[in-house]
Amino acid sequence: KAGVTQTPRYLIKTRGQQVTLSCSPISGHRSVSWYQQTPGQGLQFLFEYFSETQRNKGNFPGRFSGRQFSNSRSEMNVSTLELGDSALYLCASSLGGQNGNTIYFGEGSWLTVV
Amino acid sequence: AQRVTQPEKLLSVFKGAPVELKCNYSYSGSPELFWYVQYSRQRLQLLLRHISRESIKGFTADLNKGETSFHLKKPFAQEEDSAMYYCALRGLSGYSTLTFGKGTMLLVSP
Repeated sequence: KAGVTQTPRYLIKTRGQQVTLSCSPISGHRSVSWYQQTPGQGLQFLFEYFSETQRNKGNFPGRFSGRQFSNSRSEMNVSTLELGDSALYLCASSLGGQNGNTIYFGEGSWLTVV
Repeated sequence: AQRVTQPEKLLSVFKGAPVELKCNYSYSGSPELFWYVQYSRQRLQLLLRHISRESIKGFTADLNKGETSFHLKKPFAQEEDSAMYYCALRGLSGYSTLTFGKGTMLLVSP
């Protein structure tokens, strides 16, 4: 079956703009989580959604937000972009139960802020 | 707070040599530990999880709760093992939140 799909794969934005990234989880997966990957900080957890509800949140400013739709697809939004937001944004999906479920990652969306 | 430490940014070995990628964690409880691998131009993928106690592509990892470590080992490295390796932890709350280490780049030379 299809893996986790992220769009767009690459994008360039200007400081102050906002961006929306999209993620389609593996069919049947109800949990979607987002991570930011940078050379300096590595992989950092942004937030996780399960059945349209955010159930966990990382330590990022309020400019970072997300949502999940009834079909489990998810979007994340970053407003008022800063140069430091340039990163690879990874989406991951899983069945969503507690410990034991494998978490699968998408290929990521490369965001460059200029 | 939970933390995962991978002390080596880069590990360079020759083909056929043994490999050990170190991972130490900090967590007040019994977490789930994972190793993820990212080959060049590919997505992050699960390599091992401690609860499975299995060997994948010749790699093994044993959870040592006393030393809070989950080192990844392979007796004979292959060139195709060259990749970025991440150790990750999932806490008691479960769900799908992973705390990652900074990663170790493994380079296997012929």
